[in-house]
Amino acid sequence: AQKVTQAQTEISVVEKEDVTLDCVYETRDTTYYLFWYKQPPSGELVFLIRRNSFDEQNEISGRYSWNFQKSTSSFNFTITASQVVDSAVYFCALSEFTGANSKLTFGKGITLSVRP
Amino acid sequence: DGGITQSPKYLFRKEGQNVTLSCEQNLNHDAMYWYRQDPGQGLRLIYYSQIVNDFQKGDIAEGYSVSREKKESFPLTVTSAQKNPTAFYLCASSIDLSREWANYGYTFGSGTRLTVV
Repeated sequence: AQKVTQAQTEISVVEKEDVTLDCVYETRDTTYYLFWYKQPPSGELVFLIRRNSFDEQNEISGRYSWNFQKSTSSFNFTITASQVVDSAVYFCALSEFTGANSKLTFGKGITLSVRP
Repeated sequence: DGGITQSPKYLFRKEGQNVTLSCEQNLNHDAMYWYRQDPGQGLRLIYYSQIVNDFQKGDIAEGYSVSREKKESFPLTVTSAQKNPTAFYLCASSIDLSREWANYGYTFGSGTRLTVV
């Protein structure tokens, strides 16, 4: 069975600090997808990034960057120069792509608080 | 704009009552899902549906029921058999899982917070 572990439960930083959110996953499949979602206080989950198991290139999008390492089964997320608006719950998720039966398994989430 | 609408935003239920949470999408997505979120638990899958008139149980389906009579709608009923229904419920949708699903992931609604009083 697939599993996602987000060992950090709460992180608090001061604005402009860099912060890394860890994600470790378990799967038996060779083809799978990893996601990060942001949940602001409004409750809606916002899609941040998707990565498939064959693409280990790191990605940068503005202040956000992601480090995917299959050797350690990790997909970590770094926010550079954090801002108060980054305060939210962040979820890492995994899906094994088996066609019609695919579904996402989420980690328990990391609550990030960015203080002014 | 296309999206997913969940209603109501807040819902209060008395012990022993059934309540139905609404989820409507105008994205023309094939698949729809219901997740339950509890503090410190992450999101857990209740039910999902890939096509109209078909749905499958997720990890925590006991005490819940769903229907998928229309592509746009996937209501969730929390029955009296659900012993601890107080939680935040999120509905999601995605395009056909056999096609470009992985490029988009899911689109989520804004959630319904259910409280038993």
